[in-house]
Amino acid sequence: SQQGEEDPQALSIQEGENATMNCSYKTSINNLQWYRQNSGRGLVHLILIRSNEREKHSGRLRVTLDTSKKSSSLLITASRAADTASYFCATDNSGNTPLVFGKGTRLSVIA
Amino acid sequence: GAGVSQTPSNKVTEKGKYVELRCDPISGHTALYWYRQSLGQGPEFLIYFQGTGAADDSGLPNDRFFAVRPEGSVSTLKIQRTERGDSAVYLCASSLVPGMKTQYFGPGTRLLVL
Repeated sequence: SQQGEEDPQALSIQEGENATMNCSYKTSINNLQWYRQNSGRGLVHLILIRSNEREKHSGRLRVTLDTSKKSSSLLITASRAADTASYFCATDNSGNTPLVFGKGTRLSVIA
Repeated sequence: GAGVSQTPSNKVTEKGKYVELRCDPISGHTALYWYRQSLGQGPEFLIYFQGTGAADDSGLPNDRFFAVRPEGSVSTLKIQRTERGDSAVYLCASSLVPGMKTQYFGPGTRLLVL
């Protein structure tokens, strides 16, 4: 089963615009992560935000977490064609539980 | 250093056949995970190893699926009597220690069962 639900399922923007993707989840979490996947292959870790954090930045990425609403958002600023990929949120609760991924948002950045 | 590697990259087999998928984790990573990803979906957890033992195999869909990690490094996912519904990308990931939540993924094996 998949806990997270990304929104939108697909997003198409022009290069230079900002892209915002949202993730909602169902149960309490320890951490929430965002991963990127190109061409249906391996995932690359982008950023991790802990349940006691509200916002985190990494380069052009900004992640927010609202545990009261069980939701997170990923903002990519000044998008580039190379940002075209699928983006997944993944959650975990305490201990060594496995990551639970959402269905992903397919982002297309048009040059 | 080398990342997680998986072989083969692609595997085509016939319904009813047996397949083995291999994962080489990052050297020194004690935790190893297998996921399955169907088209248009996110990865779904199959099994997690801590060292040589399967710490959590709750994601294996049925007893046709089995995985081993005999020396605590390389892992093999084994699927018996393959079915068309087993077609998917099988992803392997590793992390330095159990509970370290950032996982490093391999490129995956794309399995097609005809």
